[in-house]
Amino acid sequence: DADVTQTPRNRITKTGKRIMLECSQTKGHDRMYWYRQDPGLGLRLIYYSFDVKDINKGEISDGYSVSRQAQAKFSLSLESAIPNQTALYFCATSEFRGTDTQYFGPGTRLTVL
Amino acid sequence: GQSLEQPSEVTAVEGAIVQINCTYQTSGFYGLSWYQQHDGGAPTFLSYNALDGLEETGRFSSFLSRSDSYGYLLLQELQMKDSASYFCAINAGNNRKLIWGLGTSLAVNP
Repeated sequence: DADVTQTPRNRITKTGKRIMLECSQTKGHDRMYWYRQDPGLGLRLIYYSFDVKDINKGEISDGYSVSRQAQAKFSLSLESAIPNQTALYFCATSEFRGTDTQYFGPGTRLTVL
Repeated sequence: GQSLEQPSEVTAVEGAIVQINCTYQTSGFYGLSWYQQHDGGAPTFLSYNALDGLEETGRFSSFLSRSDSYGYLLLQELQMKDSASYFCAINAGNNRKLIWGLGTSLAVNP
């Protein structure tokens, strides 16, 4: 089984809908991250969490919210989806050993019409 | 502030050697990482350099010069499957969170 899983893998939705993307990990890592990727813009950090009680905004948090339900689960919500949130979304985990080596889920391709 | 620069695209032929450079500006630097991402796939970790010098892992090597705020990824004996995007990322700041470059798209041609 994969260490970092994301559901759904693909989602098409309409403008204004609320969407939740879920991430689970079995690596036992404390740190979890949500990124979005758009062509030519690399990986942009949306939110990150260093433990269950710690939530931090990344560089592009507007329009998004997160919930860290447990060490293994980190969900990303789009409260009212808009077309420019169409992107590939990745969840990642890491443990604090100085290198912050990150392990990524397979990604969720989200299309907002 | 913190920033990284890497070329947006590199093209090479099978069997050749290619070097992807990365320069960075930051305070509180701990190390430089490289990740590979195939089209439609997830980024995967390749290497990490905390100290100056060359680290070799099979056909891939990574180099760091802390005094020059510079590193590179060297890919030898290129294969078609090496066509991918390569991201450099620096481990910096009090929380040692990764800061990412925009990625270099490598095309390996026959």
